[in-house]
Amino acid sequence: DAKTTQPPSMDCAEGRAANLPCNHSTISGNEYVYWYRQIHSQGPQYIIHGLKNNETNEMASLIITEDRKSSTLILPHATLRDTAVYYCIVRVYPVSGSARQLTFGSGTQLTVLP
Amino acid sequence: NAGVTQTPKFQVLKTGQSMTLQCAQDMNHEYMSWYRQDPGMGLRLIHYSVGAGITDQGEVPNGYNVSRSTTEDFPLRLLSAAPSQTSVYFCASSPRGATNTEAFFGQGTRLTVV
Repeated sequence: DAKTTQPPSMDCAEGRAANLPCNHSTISGNEYVYWYRQIHSQGPQYIIHGLKNNETNEMASLIITEDRKSSTLILPHATLRDTAVYYCIVRVYPVSGSARQLTFGSGTQLTVLP
Repeated sequence: NAGVTQTPKFQVLKTGQSMTLQCAQDMNHEYMSWYRQDPGMGLRLIHYSVGAGITDQGEVPNGYNVSRSTTEDFPLRLLSAAPSQTSVYFCASSPRGATNTEAFFGQGTRLTVV
């Protein structure tokens, strides 16, 4: 799986958009970008994933550059409860019967400030 | 819907003792895995299973055994606990098929070996 690079920490004002960057310059054509977050040592929580098109769900938006070497996770209106460590993970999309292990880096500690 | 349930939540062991960390999921997920997380670090894969009766090693398998006799349960056994195994342990499961590969995590077991 391709390696990812994230800033170790970021701050964001409550109510503002939080933009979390991730570099994955060695990503290959069949690898997807996944985002998970971990709130205060709880189990990680899935946020979103995508291949090359921008994706949006009820939690966040994922913007992937055209060359797919980087991406940005956007939390449109950050709240205090979004304070967490955010992990960007790149891996091949698993098919039925195949392993689905996730390779976690150190992630970005996002602190939402009141 | 319970999701992924881990027991116990906290455990203190003496060096050399053995124990089993329990993990159960009620979502009929094909894939299950165990991770450990040391302070300030991301999660590392210990063992995983792609279905009942099938297990394999992850990144840090030494000192741990697993088995998968049913779809629902995936226990992790520490054969002879060592202080280096002090960590937070997370169990995760993912569904069958290629339409949704989101991983669901339990709330963790905090293990201290003295």
